[in-house]
Amino acid sequence: KAGVTQTPRYLIKTRGQQVTLSCSPISGHRSVSWYQQTPGQGLQFLFEYFSETQRNKGNFPGRFSGRQFSNSRSEMNVSTLELGDSALYLCASSLRTGSPPYEQYFGPGTRLTVT
Amino acid sequence: QQQVKQSPQSLIVQKGGISIINCAYENTAFDYFPWYQQFPGKGPALLIAIRPDVSEKKEGRFTISFNKSAKQFSLHIMDSQPGDSATYFCAASRLQGTYKYIFGTGTRLKVLA
Repeated sequence: KAGVTQTPRYLIKTRGQQVTLSCSPISGHRSVSWYQQTPGQGLQFLFEYFSETQRNKGNFPGRFSGRQFSNSRSEMNVSTLELGDSALYLCASSLRTGSPPYEQYFGPGTRLTVT
Repeated sequence: QQQVKQSPQSLIVQKGGISIINCAYENTAFDYFPWYQQFPGKGPALLIAIRPDVSEKKEGRFTISFNKSAKQFSLHIMDSQPGDSATYFCAASRLQGTYKYIFGTGTRLKVLA
């Protein structure tokens, strides 16, 4: 079974621009969560989508948004990029059915650099 | 209330030694505590997890010790190997309700050959 794939793997953007990151979950997984990873901050939860609906949201500004499609693929958008948005953005997929815990499987991440 | 504090930030251990990483949480509603291992260029991968109804869980060389009253849990890596060199993250979650993971800040482990 193929793992979680994220595209692109690397991205360089300029302040003020917007960016869209893509995540394809493991086949059959209906939940996709997004995390921002920065040195010293660890992984910070952005949001989770399940069956095309946002189920949970972290403490990030409204510039960070996401969506999920009917095939469970998810996109994350960051508008008006700031230097502090430079980070590794990780996507994790989960089956989210049956009894918890629902193990999360992470993709390799998209490294975003904002200049 | 939502924080998970992890220490140390980095750790250097000799081959064959014991690596110990500690985490503390505040929210007593957390009832699932996984540990993740991340190698450079890869996403984190689940290593081992524990629920608060047990005080210890062992899988191979990896052991989680859990102290519910102190709201602390730790990862012990016995007979540490150079291949264990990675970043380790603890996390906490609630199994019901708003099911999301709160991660610690990570520990970079280097095992010297």
